[in-house]
Amino acid sequence: DAKTTQPTSMDCAEGRAANLPCNHSTISGNEYVYWYRQIHSQGPQYIIHGLKNNETNEMASLIITEDRKSSTLILPHATLRDTAVYYCIVRAQVSGGGADGLTFGKGTHLIIQP
Amino acid sequence: SQTIHQWPATLVQPVGSPLSLECTVEGTSNPNLYWYRQAAGRGLQLLFYSVGIGQISSEVPQNLSASRPQDRQFILSSKKLLLSDSGFYLCAWRGRVRRGNYGYTFGSGTRLTVV
Repeated sequence: DAKTTQPTSMDCAEGRAANLPCNHSTISGNEYVYWYRQIHSQGPQYIIHGLKNNETNEMASLIITEDRKSSTLILPHATLRDTAVYYCIVRAQVSGGGADGLTFGKGTHLIIQP
Repeated sequence: SQTIHQWPATLVQPVGSPLSLECTVEGTSNPNLYWYRQAAGRGLQLLFYSVGIGQISSEVPQNLSASRPQDRQFILSSKKLLLSDSGFYLCAWRGRVRRGNYGYTFGSGTRLTVV
């Protein structure tokens, strides 16, 4: 799996957009960018993923640069409940019968300030 | 809908005692199942994965073992716990998240403290 680099921590004011960067300069053509988050003492939660096009769902938006070497997760209107560790993971898609696992780094600790 | 159950939520065990953590999933069949561990201040480490009943693959040699006696049941065990086994243990299964792509759903975790 390609290695990712994320800032250790970030602060964001409540109600503002939180922009979390991730560098993945060694990503290969068949690897997707996944984002998960982990609220304290809970299991990680899937947020969003993408290959090369920007993606948006009810939780967040994912912006992937044209060269795919970096991406940004955007939480459009951060709330206090968004305080969590956010993990950026790069992983090739595996077919349904395959066995695999995600490699989680230390992620970014996002703190939403009231 | 698919759900994943993990218990107990917290556990304090003495060194040398046995361990059994159970994970079950509902609403899916023949899932890929995973056990992860998160030590304090560190990322998640994949311990075991299973693609079917009786099929276990170990990612990291250690004091732990896993078993899958039923399609939707995954068990993490140890015969004799070590202090270094303390951590947050998470069970996960892999399923579709969008347009045929796969993502992972995690259980709520078990916080194990070995004393």
